[in-house]
Amino acid sequence: DTAVSQTPKYLVTQMGNDKSIKCEQNLGHDTMYWYKQDSKKFLKIMFSYNNKELIINETVPNRFSPKSPDKAHLNLHINSLELGDSAVYFCASSQGRKRTGLNTGELFFGEGSRLTVL
Amino acid sequence: GQNIDQPTEMTATEGAIVQINCTYQTSGFNGLFWYQQHAGEAPTFLSYNVLDGLEEKGRFSSFLSRSKGYSYLLLKELQMKDSASYLCAVNNQAGTALIFGKGTTLSVSS
Repeated sequence: DTAVSQTPKYLVTQMGNDKSIKCEQNLGHDTMYWYKQDSKKFLKIMFSYNNKELIINETVPNRFSPKSPDKAHLNLHINSLELGDSAVYFCASSQGRKRTGLNTGELFFGEGSRLTVL
Repeated sequence: GQNIDQPTEMTATEGAIVQINCTYQTSGFNGLFWYQQHAGEAPTFLSYNVLDGLEEKGRFSSFLSRSKGYSYLLLKELQMKDSASYLCAVNNQAGTALIFGKGTTLSVSS
């Protein structure tokens, strides 16, 4: 069983389009994240949700909108795609503290979704 | 904020020992993580240090000195499969996410 799964694995699209990436975890974790890894392999935090509540929104353009329908799912919708959005997007989860959302342990990553904007 | 520095690239030969250093600056230190990432794959957890000293786990060991803001990952008896990026990470100030360094790409040759 895959612990953190994200779809699609590859996404090729034109500038200006809107696309979504889905993520699901079956680990029972309270906290989920989206990270972006650019061409230089730098892994940067974008969003963090704890039990469906937004905890972190790092200086990410408004075109990126995360949605967490329940604590096992965290989806990422991107509007008006730009060339600079091309990257690998990783979903991750961890067993954060329930009330405060503090990170208490290791992150479990999905396989990544490689987005290419033409 | 956080600042994490680690070398960009390192090379080594099979059977050798390599040490990957990481220096960090952060407020509210809550542990330091090392992750391994093979090309085209997701990062996977290697180690976690919250107290000073050496943590050994098979061929891999990780060291932490909180007073110096310094950690290293030691890989012994290198194998070709150890060729990967090694990422050093600490919690952000609020303790709500891991902040990663830019990673060290290790190339192991025969």
